[in-house]
Amino acid sequence: QKEVEQNSGPLSVPEGAIASLNCTYSDRGSQSFFWYRQYSGKSPELIMFIYSNGDKEDGRFTAQLNKASQYVSLLIRDSQPSDSATYLCAVNAGYSSASKIIFGSGTRLSIRP
Amino acid sequence: NAGVMQNPRHLVRRRGQEARLRCSPMKGHSHVYWYRQLPEEGLKFMVYLQKENIIDESGMPKERFSAEFPKEGPSILRIQQVVRGDSAAYFCASSRTGDGNTGELFFGEGSRLTVL
Repeated sequence: QKEVEQNSGPLSVPEGAIASLNCTYSDRGSQSFFWYRQYSGKSPELIMFIYSNGDKEDGRFTAQLNKASQYVSLLIRDSQPSDSATYLCAVNAGYSSASKIIFGSGTRLSIRP
Repeated sequence: NAGVMQNPRHLVRRRGQEARLRCSPMKGHSHVYWYRQLPEEGLKFMVYLQKENIIDESGMPKERFSAEFPKEGPSILRIQQVVRGDSAAYFCASSRTGDGNTGELFFGEGSRLTVL
């Protein structure tokens, strides 16, 4: 079982709609969860992080965490063509505070005008 | 405030040669991560270092690969006797706290290695 799993996509969403990206993780000791965005040929950049169960909103982005189900999601409201990118889910691995951060393989999102 | 600096951005090597990739973390950051990314794939963890210490190298192949982060100077990822399968983008990221629970990773632009 992969440590962090994502649907590779591509996920195609019409402009203005809500894009929903999902991620599951295997390590119950994980405490921190991140969503990174990566444009083609570029480096990843952090867009959201979440530590507690529930929802966390930042502008058009909402991260959702359910530790019991080991599930993290990212919702993008009012999707724009500039949101077209690969979205990488990342979790810290293990109980130790000095722990590595593991990435999923990413979901390609395409926003169609 | 300069971000994470990686060089070279592009490196071409023939099979059997050595590749050295360098990473200077952001100012004030003392924790460095190296990741490898193949085309259309995610980031694969290789190694996590603090100054003069390797914290976790569980993602790095035991042979031909090594990493260091000396007290002075950049972190270096070294690949000896490169093979075609080593062709990939190698990303370095730095973190201020090194605490995997709270630390945001800041990525460099990557070093793209091509092995002929």
